[in-house]
Amino acid sequence: KQEVTQIPAALSVPEGENLVLNCSFTDSAIYNLQWFRQDPGKGLTSLLLIQSSQREQTSGRLNASLDKSSGRSTLYIAASQPGDSATYLCAVRRSDYKLSFGAGTTVTVRA
Amino acid sequence: NAGVTQTPKFRVLKTGQSMTLLCAQDMNHEYMYWYRQDPGMGLRLIHYSVGEGTTAKGEVPDGYNVSRLKKQNFLLGLESAAPSQTSVYFCASSSIKLADSYNEQFFGPGTRLTVL
Repeated sequence: KQEVTQIPAALSVPEGENLVLNCSFTDSAIYNLQWFRQDPGKGLTSLLLIQSSQREQTSGRLNASLDKSSGRSTLYIAASQPGDSATYLCAVRRSDYKLSFGAGTTVTVRA
Repeated sequence: NAGVTQTPKFRVLKTGQSMTLLCAQDMNHEYMYWYRQDPGMGLRLIHYSVGEGTTAKGEVPDGYNVSRLKKQNFLLGLESAAPSQTSVYFCASSSIKLADSYNEQFFGPGTRLTVL
């Protein structure tokens, strides 16, 4: 069974600092990994999807890396802003089209 | 293009009552999923469907039933609600038209259910 862990569970940083969010998974036989953002009381918004054959994916201030062999992915958010405050979830897609989710990291960016 | 929509947004039930949650997608996706989200536990898959007329169990299927009579709709039913089913329910959909590894899942806004 795929286990996905996100540490820390919560993070508070001052505005302008770079954010580093970690995701680890136990089974390296994945198809892809997806990072989501969730605002309080809202649904999930997809941020980045990394194919199993890729090492990283970038979108604006966001960069996600993937190391399948060590079972890790890292989401970097450059020059954080108060609007980046949210919960960030990673999810690993298995061969049977299902996603296994981590519990998320709740980020607070202080102005 | 509304994407994935869910009805209702909020609901309060008494123990033993039944209800149906509706999920609709307008992206012509083959795959649809129902998840529940509980504090500190991430999202867990309840049931999913790989096409019209098909359904399958996920990680936590007990106490729930689903139906996919039309490709665009996926219904989640609670036959006899229990307080343990208090949660936020999310529906998602994905396509299989591209290569498997490109199957991004798109999520609805969620339904917040409280069972008293």
